[in-house]
Amino acid sequence: EAQVTQNPRYLITVTGKKLTVTCSQNMNHEYMSWYRQDPGLGLRQIYYSMNVEVTDKGDVPEGYKVSRKEKRNFPLILESPSPNQTSLYFCASSSGQGGLHQPQHFGDGTRLSIL
Amino acid sequence: DAKTTQPPSMDCAEGRAANLPCNHSTISGNEYVYWYRQIHSQGPQYIIHGLKNNETNEMASLIITEDRKSSTLILPHATLRDTAVYYCIVRGTGANSKLTFGKGITLSVRP
Repeated sequence: EAQVTQNPRYLITVTGKKLTVTCSQNMNHEYMSWYRQDPGLGLRQIYYSMNVEVTDKGDVPEGYKVSRKEKRNFPLILESPSPNQTSLYFCASSSGQGGLHQPQHFGDGTRLSIL
Repeated sequence: DAKTTQPPSMDCAEGRAANLPCNHSTISGNEYVYWYRQIHSQGPQYIIHGLKNNETNEMASLIITEDRKSSTLILPHATLRDTAVYYCIVRGTGANSKLTFGKGITLSVRP
């Protein structure tokens, strides 16, 4: 089954403790992206990747890192999490390198709480 | 990318057609109209997209006005499982496939 898998689905942690949210897709998609969703603010893009070893900042990249060493994986790294990063996070992927009009497939989300 | 305007909410009866409107009066010639929906806090789900012709797939139909300043998503036979927030998004052909989600319209399907 074609899917985007995020782990963990839920995480409660403390300020400053490094964490990684993994994202994996099995559709051989070139494009992957991370969004965060906050009440009243909608979904905002954090980082995106057009292909392996190609990443770029979205609208709200501060406090986050990403890497794209393999096509299927696009982990989101919070080196020193802070409470303002408490949010619902979504990973998405699509075929093509972003310029083509392909639908994006989203994961089920990761709910992070930073205390 | 052009902005979109949607009413905050609407409801319809189960089994009836749900017609969800969207205004995008500043849309430019190379921008597409996309519809996604989000059920509760699940990941957004792609529904349909179009440029200027009407489109139909197994989930819905998309009707775009001739001047492309507005569109309507039609769910032909709404079910309770269609209760969700529906997002109308206008996106250009830039390299980043970023989707700019607004507040969307909350559709409530009643039994």
